[in-house]
Amino acid sequence: AQKVTQAQTEISVVEKEDVTLDCVYETRDTTYYLFWYKQPPSGELVFLIRRNSFDEQNEISGRYSWNFQKSTSSFNFTITASQVVDSAVYFCALSEADGGTSYGKLTFGQGTILTVHP
Amino acid sequence: DAGVIQSPRHEVTEMGQEVTLRCKPISGHDYLFWYRQTMMRGLELLIYFNNNVPIDDSGMPEDRFSAKMPNASFSTLKIQPSEPRDSAVYFCASSRDRVDGYTFGSGTRLTVV
Repeated sequence: AQKVTQAQTEISVVEKEDVTLDCVYETRDTTYYLFWYKQPPSGELVFLIRRNSFDEQNEISGRYSWNFQKSTSSFNFTITASQVVDSAVYFCALSEADGGTSYGKLTFGQGTILTVHP
Repeated sequence: DAGVIQSPRHEVTEMGQEVTLRCKPISGHDYLFWYRQTMMRGLELLIYFNNNVPIDDSGMPEDRFSAKMPNASFSTLKIQPSEPRDSAVYFCASSRDRVDGYTFGSGTRLTVV
């Protein structure tokens, strides 16, 4: 069964610090997709990124970057020069895609609460 | 594009009452998902539809929960009768395909007293 673990329950940083949110996943599928979502205090879930299991290239989008390593089953998310507006709950999620019963069903980690202090 | 629209945003009801949550997905999205978020259990998939047909309802907690999608632009999640343990935020999401990034609605915060 697929599983996503976000070991960091809460992280607190001061503005301009870099912060890395960890995500470790478990799956038996060879094809799968990994996601990060942001849930700001307003409550909606905002899609940030999707990666497939065959693409281990790191990705950078502005201050955000993602490091995908199949060897360690990790998909970590780094925010560079954090800002107060980055304060939110961040969820990592996994979707298996080999065609089994869990195909296409997003399984979420428990989330990491990030607080950025001014 | 107005995004995924859910109503109501907040619902407070008494135990035993029927509750209906509504969702309008993004036009052109063939998949619709209902999730529930609680502190204890996090985000759980309840049911999802493809082209208005329920594909997997294994996450529906019990018979008190039912979901329908009568057409491509509307879905409901009904709880009858409601219980205090059903208190949660219920999210609807839609996507173009099963492994695309979902677009979530703003959620319905349900409180059953």
